[in-house]
Amino acid sequence: AQSVTQLDSQVPVFEEAPVELRCNYSSSVSVYLFWYVQYPNQGLQLLLKYLSGSTLVKGINGFEAEFNKSQTSFHLRKPSVHISDTAEYFCAVSENDYKLSFGAGTTVTVRA
Amino acid sequence: DTEVTQTPKHLVMGMTNKKSLKCEQHMGHRAMYWYKQKAKKPPELMFVYSYEKLSINESVPSRFSPECPNSSLLNLHLHALQPEDSALYLCASSQEGGGARDSPLHFGNGTRLTVT
Repeated sequence: AQSVTQLDSQVPVFEEAPVELRCNYSSSVSVYLFWYVQYPNQGLQLLLKYLSGSTLVKGINGFEAEFNKSQTSFHLRKPSVHISDTAEYFCAVSENDYKLSFGAGTTVTVRA
Repeated sequence: DTEVTQTPKHLVMGMTNKKSLKCEQHMGHRAMYWYKQKAKKPPELMFVYSYEKLSINESVPSRFSPECPNSSLLNLHLHALQPEDSALYLCASSQEGGGARDSPLHFGNGTRLTVT
């Protein structure tokens, strides 16, 4: 079975500073990788996805992620965060057409 | 604004009650999902409906009973729940063909369920 590991459970960061959230995956076959964000008291929202092609993926709200096959990683980055980026971030890998395996999540807290 | 609407937003029920959670989407999606999310944990898949037929049941206890009356609606019927079933229940949908892989999941804001 495929799985993901999010290496940081909590990431505090100051406003306008860069942030990187780390995600490693395990899979023996082709992978499809996703980052979802969950704002307080809301459902999850897709930030970006990697299916194939360019290893640098750009998503919404200024986020981007880089797929690195040799390091089995899919780290999420944003060059300058806002208070509104405070949320829970989940990395996920697709096991089949309908099932995602989510990582444990990373709580990002942006402080002024 | 979310395109997947869940009602109610909050629900408190006793262990002997029967209640239902409702989910609605009008995006023409043909796959619909129920997830359970405990606090500070990732969502866990419970059920998947594809073209109104149950395609995945992740060994969920029978006290949870899903129903898909049509392509836009998804219900989760609850009966004789336990306090440990208290959680956020999320509904999601995705386009036909590829499901969660080739098309993103669209989540509702969830129903926060408390079982007393």
